[in-house]
Amino acid sequence: DTAVSQTPKYLVTQMGNDKSIKCEQNLGHDTMYWYKQDSKKFLKIMFSYNNKELIINETVPNRFSPKSPDKAHLNLHINSLELGDSAVYFCASSQARAVDEQFFGPGTRLTVL
Amino acid sequence: QKEVEQNSGPLSVPEGAIASLNCTYSDRGSQSFFWYRQYSGKSPELIMFIYSNGDKEDGRFTAQLNKASQYVSLLIRDSQPSDSATYLCAVTRGDSSYKLIFGSGTRLLVRP
Repeated sequence: DTAVSQTPKYLVTQMGNDKSIKCEQNLGHDTMYWYKQDSKKFLKIMFSYNNKELIINETVPNRFSPKSPDKAHLNLHINSLELGDSAVYFCASSQARAVDEQFFGPGTRLTVL
Repeated sequence: QKEVEQNSGPLSVPEGAIASLNCTYSDRGSQSFFWYRQYSGKSPELIMFIYSNGDKEDGRFTAQLNKASQYVSLLIRDSQPSDSATYLCAVTRGDSSYKLIFGSGTRLLVRP
């Protein structure tokens, strides 16, 4: 009965590779988010989709591209991975607005070698 | 100046004591304020939210908001070792109710 799930949980890859992280929520929420948490535990919003429409696009390198095939799924594709991309990436969802509780997925720990 | 500031800690309190966690924010237009708890290696989970000035109580937790001072706090009464975690303050940005800005968190250690 997982509410927000992410795959994979761990991702180890070489610099320059392209990788994707998938996220799915079964809560019926309208809004989904991608966050990056660095080694100092700072959690930063990257993107948000509301009903498949991009509503937040923070200043992230254009190597990062989110895709929302439907409102229950939000994937993150990263091209040409760099060492600085190593972090934990969290997917989250909320009902309609951020004023509602955001439910977080378990996270994907990305390590770029 | 960071948008949301928290003391990184660790804040160490004995079991049974009151733990007081503080957070300041820079955007006067912020409307909604959240406290998340994150255990090591786990994802953040919501503890409390508060929208209006004053106090809001939920069990052992009390959130306090002072918009004039741009300050929000979380009190944990009768602290338990299981409360040991990092507490993240999050604030909606005034120009977007969808955007949550997180502080870097305060690590709380409750000593048995």
